[in-house]
Amino acid sequence: EAGVAQSPRYKIIEKRQSVAFWCNPISGHATLYWYQQILGQGPKLLIQFQNNGVVDDSQLPKDRFSAERLKGVDSTLKIQPAKLEDSAVYLCASSLDRGGNTIYFGEGSWLTVV
Amino acid sequence: AQKVTQAQTEISVVEKEDVTLDCVYETRDTTYYLFWYKQPPSGELVFLIRRNSFDEQNEISGRYSWNFQKSTSSFNFTITASQVVDSAVYFCALSYFGAGNMLTFGGGTRLMVKP
Repeated sequence: EAGVAQSPRYKIIEKRQSVAFWCNPISGHATLYWYQQILGQGPKLLIQFQNNGVVDDSQLPKDRFSAERLKGVDSTLKIQPAKLEDSAVYLCASSLDRGGNTIYFGEGSWLTVV
Repeated sequence: AQKVTQAQTEISVVEKEDVTLDCVYETRDTTYYLFWYKQPPSGELVFLIRRNSFDEQNEISGRYSWNFQKSTSSFNFTITASQVVDSAVYFCALSYFGAGNMLTFGGGTRLMVKP
């Protein structure tokens, strides 16, 4: 079974530029998550989708971050404009549903803002 | 509020030693789930185990074992006869039914196994 796919794996941009990350969850998984992991810390949830609807985006900095999952499968996370403190690994994850199911993570997209 | 504490930020052992990674959690919910993930240098979070709050049985999987104790709110992870390939950062995490499966992670424990 294919895992969670993410791209690009690595991205270096200058501050104030924009960047987009793509995620394809495990087939059949209704719930999709974007986590941000700053170096040396545990991952922090940015946004959670159930099919194509947003369940929780309370920790998403909405002035610069946006995410969508238009057809309930793939998802895109965008940052515009980027700040130095956005340097982190962006982890996409998916689960069958929301009721305590195991969450499976992708390899992550490593962002460096210079 | 949910909270997960991994007091050990870094552990170094010599190959073949046993090592225990500690995890203490806080939650007011009676239905919750505990997880352990492994993060090798490649960055991917690899799922190791999931436990629900009603199942306090310890579990063993090869060299890995987990000790879940509700009385002390702990979910500790032991690696027996450690190997160099076990070197990674290990995260303990908690979710509860009312949170829609949102995971709260601890700060992680970096394990270094030296040959």
